[in-house]
Amino acid sequence: GAGVSQTPSNKVTEKGKYVELRCDPISGHTALYWYRQSLGQGPEFLIYFQGTGAADDSGLPNDRFFAVRPEGSVSTLKIQRTERGDSAVYLCASSLTSGEQDTQYFGPGTRLTVL
Amino acid sequence: DQQVKQNSPSLSVQEGRISILNCDYTNSMFDYFLWYKKYPAEGPTFLISISSIKDKNEDGRFTVFLNKSAKHLSLHIVPSQPGDSAVYFCAASGYFTGGGNKLTFGTGTQLKVEL
Repeated sequence: GAGVSQTPSNKVTEKGKYVELRCDPISGHTALYWYRQSLGQGPEFLIYFQGTGAADDSGLPNDRFFAVRPEGSVSTLKIQRTERGDSAVYLCASSLTSGEQDTQYFGPGTRLTVL
Repeated sequence: DQQVKQNSPSLSVQEGRISILNCDYTNSMFDYFLWYKKYPAEGPTFLISISSIKDKNEDGRFTVFLNKSAKHLSLHIVPSQPGDSAVYFCAASGYFTGGGNKLTFGTGTQLKVEL
């Protein structure tokens, strides 16, 4: 079956612009996670959804970042007033449930570059 | 603060030899540990995991060892193959965060297996 997909694969934008990053999880997976990977670092947790609700958004850096998952499947990460420091690879992962030992399957990521 | 640390940014081994990748953690509340492998332009791929109730888990050529008293885990790959060349991330999770399964990653170790 299809894995996690993310679009676009690359996004270049100018400082101050608004961007949306999309994640299509594996069909039937109820848990969805967003991570951000900066250069030379490991992925850092941003937000986690169980179904349609954001169960934990403690990793979002500030209120310019927002994510939704209105139908419990596709999720969109939204960044307002982008800054150069937002440049990173944004990774999405899904798992069957939010159980601790449920494997998270990652998508290929969206590389965001803010000029 | 970096709660999961991989102090070796790179490791080079010869094909057929053992590769040993190390990881240290500081938060004693972590109770589940994972290794992910990442190729360029792809998302991390789950490799192997271990629960804190065990000290060893083996899957084919890959073995993970956990030393809770030292807050240290290691990944052994025997024998190493050229296709193992990738970045390896150590990750940890625990339900102390209030639910879900957000992963805390180390900064990764670039493994190069030479012919």
